[in-house]
Amino acid sequence: ETGVTQTPRHLVMGMTNKKSLKCEQHLGHNAMYWYKQSAKKPLELMFVYSLEERVENNSVPSRFSPECPNSSHLFLHLHTLQPEDSALYLCASSRRQGSRGDTEAFFGQGTRLTVV
Amino acid sequence: DAKTTQPNSMESNEEEPVHLPCNHSTISGTDYIHWYRQLPSQGPEYVIHGLTSNVNNRMASLAIAEDRKSSTLILHRATLRDAAVYYCILRRDDKIIFGKGTRLHILP
Repeated sequence: ETGVTQTPRHLVMGMTNKKSLKCEQHLGHNAMYWYKQSAKKPLELMFVYSLEERVENNSVPSRFSPECPNSSHLFLHLHTLQPEDSALYLCASSRRQGSRGDTEAFFGQGTRLTVV
Repeated sequence: DAKTTQPNSMESNEEEPVHLPCNHSTISGTDYIHWYRQLPSQGPEYVIHGLTSNVNNRMASLAIAEDRKSSTLILHRATLRDAAVYYCILRRDDKIIFGKGTRLHILP
């Protein structure tokens, strides 16, 4: 148990569906992250929120829409996805770094997404 | 972002020490060296980090070269549960960028 909880753990959705992934942390962190991990590929950073403000959007298609309503919760809204979007989606949290990098991040177990 | 270079895979025998190398020749003065590992079917897990001095914690030790252009993660006594992908990352701000990492195989 890392203190970062992701739901659901598994999700199967059609290409015309709309679904949301949820991430929750109660570690007192104020930076949160979404990553995508496809088979046999490195983790890809998708979005970074620092103090509930999006500070990084790594050229992610608009069919992925993040939302950070407060420092404890992060959502990833999904719509009209493609089969190649099937992957493990990981959430992480950390203390906000600003211009330093001296704090560790904690990761959830991930949501295994399959788009059919 | 400064890049790191790690071997794709390594093998080690159970109950022996493991030295996982990482090269980061373009590291800047403000980059912290972080190590994470990812066990099968799990999210990454923090292992250790440092700036200039060697670091020890309950999981591992981190040896940092004097010029900071390389570092080594040391697992003092590997167990089968240490089989994972180990990532060496340079961090200077809110971003955490992962490379391909080293897949560590532990032989019983």
